[in-house]
Amino acid sequence: EPEVTQTPSHQVTQMGQEVILRCVPISNHLYFYWYRQILGQKVEFLVSFYNNEISEKSEIFDDQFSVERPDGSNFTLKIRSTKLEDSAMYFCASSGRGGAVNSPLHFGNGTRLTVT
Amino acid sequence: QKEVEQNSGPLSVPEGAIASLNCTYSDRVSQSFFWYRQYSGKSPELIMSIYSNGDKEDGRFTAQLNKASQYVSLLIRDSQPSDSATYLCAVNIETGNQFYFGTGTSLTVIP
Repeated sequence: EPEVTQTPSHQVTQMGQEVILRCVPISNHLYFYWYRQILGQKVEFLVSFYNNEISEKSEIFDDQFSVERPDGSNFTLKIRSTKLEDSAMYFCASSGRGGAVNSPLHFGNGTRLTVT
Repeated sequence: QKEVEQNSGPLSVPEGAIASLNCTYSDRVSQSFFWYRQYSGKSPELIMSIYSNGDKEDGRFTAQLNKASQYVSLLIRDSQPSDSATYLCAVNIETGNQFYFGTGTSLTVIP
């Protein structure tokens, strides 16, 4: 069964550094998402992406965050200047096989980001 | 504001019992409803999707949807210790294909 893949599985960075989290969504999905989950807390929506542009973003997704689909397969989340409070598990997800709405979200295994 | 409410628990049931997980949502244009299971340190895993009023059964899992009451539930029959996890309710808004998650209910099945 097709999967969403995320790399790396764990990223450690120093405060103020830039990080790029990478995702390969399921190939025939057209909607892409980033969520984060701080340890022990709820899954929080960051941003959704469709047709090569952001379709919705949360208040968490400030100017320090950006997303990009640099080619036909990758979907990246960049944090320009990391803060301690950015430490969390970041999940990429995709949906919309063939552009269909209402189909489920499929999550990657996540990247655990630790900011020191 | 689109709210998805779940009782955070923890919910404890003995092995073999029925576990009942509940979710309410505030937005009447919500179209699709999903239950995800999340083990500690892992990503959410889809268990059930339900799109119309009534019950939908898949093995030991039954999802129930009542759009008039804005309520969706998940029943787990013959609960097993391996069912111990956090269960997330998600609703989908067709416009923009947005998903909104509840805070999750922590379930422990006691052997």
